[in-house]
Amino acid sequence: AQKVTQAQTEISVVEKEDVTLDCVYETRDTTYYLFWYKQPPSGELVFLIRRNSFDEQNEISGRYSWNFQKSTSSFNFTITASQVVDSAVYFCALRLTGAGSYQLTFGKGTKLSVIP
Amino acid sequence: GAVVSQHPSRVICKSGTSVKIECRSLDFQATTMFWYRQFPKQSLMLMATSNEGSKATYEQGVEKDKFLINHASLTLSTLTVTSAHPEDSSFYICSARVVDHSYEQYFGPGTRLTVT
Repeated sequence: AQKVTQAQTEISVVEKEDVTLDCVYETRDTTYYLFWYKQPPSGELVFLIRRNSFDEQNEISGRYSWNFQKSTSSFNFTITASQVVDSAVYFCALRLTGAGSYQLTFGKGTKLSVIP
Repeated sequence: GAVVSQHPSRVICKSGTSVKIECRSLDFQATTMFWYRQFPKQSLMLMATSNEGSKATYEQGVEKDKFLINHASLTLSTLTVTSAHPEDSSFYICSARVVDHSYEQYFGPGTRLTVT
């Protein structure tokens, strides 16, 4: 069975600070996908990134960056120069690859509050 | 592309009544749709997997007779909460899987159900 752990339940930062959201996963499979989603107060899940287990390159998209480390089974998410609009709950998720393997396993989420 | 809608976005119903929630894939076909439930400040919990033209597969602990799922077409799945009770109040989110090899899921905006 798969498991995703987001140890940080809530984080508060002051605007313009950098913040890292942690995600640790467990799976016996060697191939899988990792995801990050943002859920603002409106409730809709916003897809942020998908990472294949074969690709350990870090990725940067604007103020967002992701650090995938297979050796520690972690897929951490950093927001640089945080803004109030970044306030949301962020979920890390895992999905196995292959036919029929399409169920997402979500972490419990980290609530980020960016204070002006 | 890959837009999923849900209707209604919010619904309030009286205890004992039934309420139907629709999930539609607007610009793609989805042989498989998923229904999630999210309690306040909690993660998404998969309730059931809905396959077009066949019976849904329910997760352990989810009552089939209470949460009726119908997936009659490649673009529509419905979740009916029968004889609703206040404890059924929750945020219900659907997702749809594209009919290709990617197995990607796209999420709807969610439906907030309040049972009085």
